[in-house]
Parts: sequence; structure tokens; C-alpha cells
Amino acid sequence: QVQLQESGPGLVKPSETLSLTCTVSGGSFRNYFWTWIRQSPGKGLEWIGYVYFSGSTTYNPSLTSRVTISLDTSKSQFSLKLRSVTAADTAVYYCARDPNYWGQGILVTVSS
Amino acid sequence: DIQMTQSPSTLSASVGDRVTITCQTSQTIDNWLAWYQQKPGKAPKVLIYKASTLETGVPSRFSGSGSGTEFTFTISSLQPDDFATYYCQVYNVYSRAFGQGTKVEV
Repeated sequence: QVQLQESGPGLVKPSETLSLTCTVSGGSFRNYFWTWIRQSPGKGLEWIGYVYFSGSTTYNPSLTSRVTISLDTSKSQFSLKLRSVTAADTAVYYCARDPNYWGQGILVTVSS
Repeated sequence: DIQMTQSPSTLSASVGDRVTITCQTSQTIDNWLAWYQQKPGKAPKVLIYKASTLETGVPSRFSGSGSGTEFTFTISSLQPDDFATYYCQVYNVYSRAFGQGTKVEV
């Protein structure tokens, strides 16, 4: 059974970089897309981007200037970096091998 | 990028009702569509993927249909545990996108 677990700081200051890691267990990275999704308080789901097992990436056009997603198969991890954050980036961040496997989510608050 | 139109945004229903939610995409996506259920404070749970495939362990009262740009999600007989928010998602090799969500309430 594939399991995913997000980790990283729960509080980030405005203008800084949000960095999260997703650790994957119970499955191979091969031939799958590894995705980040977020959900602002009381709002719907927003796709951030994904990395394919080859390392190629695709990002939401609304976030592409600030986002980097990368893969480290040796550690069974993939990561998210979101630069120049503001309060609007406060959200629960999920990693997923969508659609079937999701992490439990991690709340990241942007505040000074 | 793909635009998703999910409707309705809110649905009032009673136990035993048949519930239908629709999702329309701006581009054809073949059958690369999933339906999720989300309850407060929890991660979304996939119910249907590839438009009509029931996830293992999901009750058969949930079903999905459609292809191309028009998709439908149905709960045949609403149960108390089904009051939640439902999302559609396209997940093809080019992009991902979510519908706006449908809150099913009493």
C-alpha cells in the first residue's frame, strides 16, 4: 500500500520560501506523476504542479513563476518550493500520487 | 490550461435521495477524470477514477459516467455518511485541475 507523508515548517514569514517534502513508502516512483495540491481555509482544491518520475515538471500557470517541484528517488521523496509567499499562500498542502493516494496534508501559515 | 465547471455548488438532499453532480471540461480529456469526497479536516478520498471505475472498498451506490468533456457523478441512495463536499478532477498527462466543489447538505 502506497503511503505519503508531508513534512516541513508550519509557519513561514511573508516574502520567504515555503519548502515541503513528501516521503513515499510502499511503492515505486517509476511511471507515475507526483503531485502537490493545496487548499486555502474554507476554499476548494488547487493543483500546484507535478513531477514525473523522469524529473520533468508541469506547473499551474498561476503559480509557475514561484514554484519548483523536484524528485529525489534515492530518498523516496519529492519536494515543493514556493517562493515569495504572502498570506494568500496560507493553506493545507497535500502531496499525492493522484488520484488514488494522498498524504494527510500539512497546514502552512504565512505570517510574520 | 483546462477549465472545469462543476455544478451545483450546493445541493440540499435527504437520506435516500438520488444525487447527481456534473462536471464539464473546456477540453476533451478522454476519461481522465476522478471524483473525490472530502469531509472537514480530512484529505480528499477518491471514489471514482477513469470517469467510471469504482475505487476498491467504495460502496456501489457511488457511480460515475461520461467521457470527452461531460461527466456525471451519482449517489443512488444518499446515506447519512455521504453528507460532504465532492470534487471532480482532471488528471491527464498535460495538466491537472479541480472543479469548484459541491457541498451536499441536509
